[in-house]
This record gives sequence, C-alpha cells and structure tokens, in this order.
Amino acid sequence: EAGVTQSPTHLIKTRGQQATLRCSPISGHTSVYWYQQALGLGLQFLLWYDEGEERNRGNFPPRFSGRQFPNYSSELNVNALELEDSALYLCASSLYREGKLFFGSGTQLSVL
Amino acid sequence: KQEVTQIPAALSVPEGENLVLNCSFTDSAIYNLQWFRQDPGKGLTSLLLIQSSQREQTSGRLNASLDKSSGRSTLYIAASQPGDSATYLCAVRGGNKLVFGAGTILRVKS
Repeated sequence: EAGVTQSPTHLIKTRGQQATLRCSPISGHTSVYWYQQALGLGLQFLLWYDEGEERNRGNFPPRFSGRQFPNYSSELNVNALELEDSALYLCASSLYREGKLFFGSGTQLSVL
Repeated sequence: KQEVTQIPAALSVPEGENLVLNCSFTDSAIYNLQWFRQDPGKGLTSLLLIQSSQREQTSGRLNASLDKSSGRSTLYIAASQPGDSATYLCAVRGGNKLVFGAGTILRVKS
C-alpha cells in the first residue's frame, strides 16, 4: 500500500513568486495535515483538512492557503514568497480525526 | 493552550545502553499521544500511538508509557543501536490540534 506522497521533492523559487505543494494521502484517509519545519526549528502546524473542509489553521499569514480535493488529496499554496519561507513542508494523513498520523517525505522549499 | 516539552534536548549514549526519553504536556485533556522518529532532512516515521485510555504500547525494543493525569509520557529504547540515531518527537492530540514537542536528538555511538 502506498504511503503519503508529496511532490515535488525539492522546489526552488525567488522572492515574490508563488509555490504550490501537493500531497496524496494514504488511500482511505480523509484527514490531511500540513506542517512547516524550518532549519533548526520544530514542526509548526499550518493547516488541517478533513472531508474536504478546512478544520483548523495555525498562526500563519493568509498568503499560506490550501485546499482538499474530492479525492482527499491536498494542495498547499504559498503566495508572495519570502526568504523565511524556506523550509521542509511536511504533509500527513490519518484515517480519522484522532487516528494515527502518517507523514510523507516532505517538500524542501528554497526561496532565493 | 497545549504545550509539549521534551527532555533531554540531546542525548549521546554508547551502543547497547537502555535509555528513556521524556515528553510532558500541560493539558491532560488529550485524545492520544504519538511518538515519531525523524532522520535528517526526512519526514517523520510513526513509532507508537497511545490512546488516552491506554497506559502503554510496545513495539519491538520500544516501549511507550502514558500518565495522562501527570501529563507525562516516556519512550523507552532497549539495547540501543547506532541505527537508532535520529530525532525523536512526541505529539499530543487534543481538540482539533496536534501539538509537537521540539524533539530529542539521539546519538548512539558504536
């Protein structure tokens, strides 16, 4: 069974550009979570989607947004990129709201 | 607001030692607690999940305990190996949030 898959693996952008990161959850999982992990820092919660709806949002500016599609895959969009957005972005999925969390390998975003 | 603290921040041990990693949380109203390991630049690998009604979970050389009333969990690693070297994170789920600790960096020397 395929795990959580994220694409692309690496993404290089310049300041002011937009980035789109994608996540496919494990088959049957309806909840998708997004986290940011900047170098040397802990995991910071970004967004949680469940059954197509945004259920919770972390303390990030509105230029961080996303959505969940009918097939439960998800997209994270970051507009007006800033240097400090450079980080590893991790996606996770769970079968149900309180279920075990499974993580993808992440997208390494570099903003130059 | 839930706060999760992991002690120690870093740990270096010789191969073969048994060791304990600690995780504490401030709000005992939790659904579950999950332990992960993370290798540098990689995603997180789930190790153990303990539901709020459980006291402990075991998988191979790993044993995790949960004392919800005191807001503590421990991850016990028996007979440590160099391959256990990684960052270990605990995450507490309560309400509609999953809060991570900052992690313990473990190095097992051969």
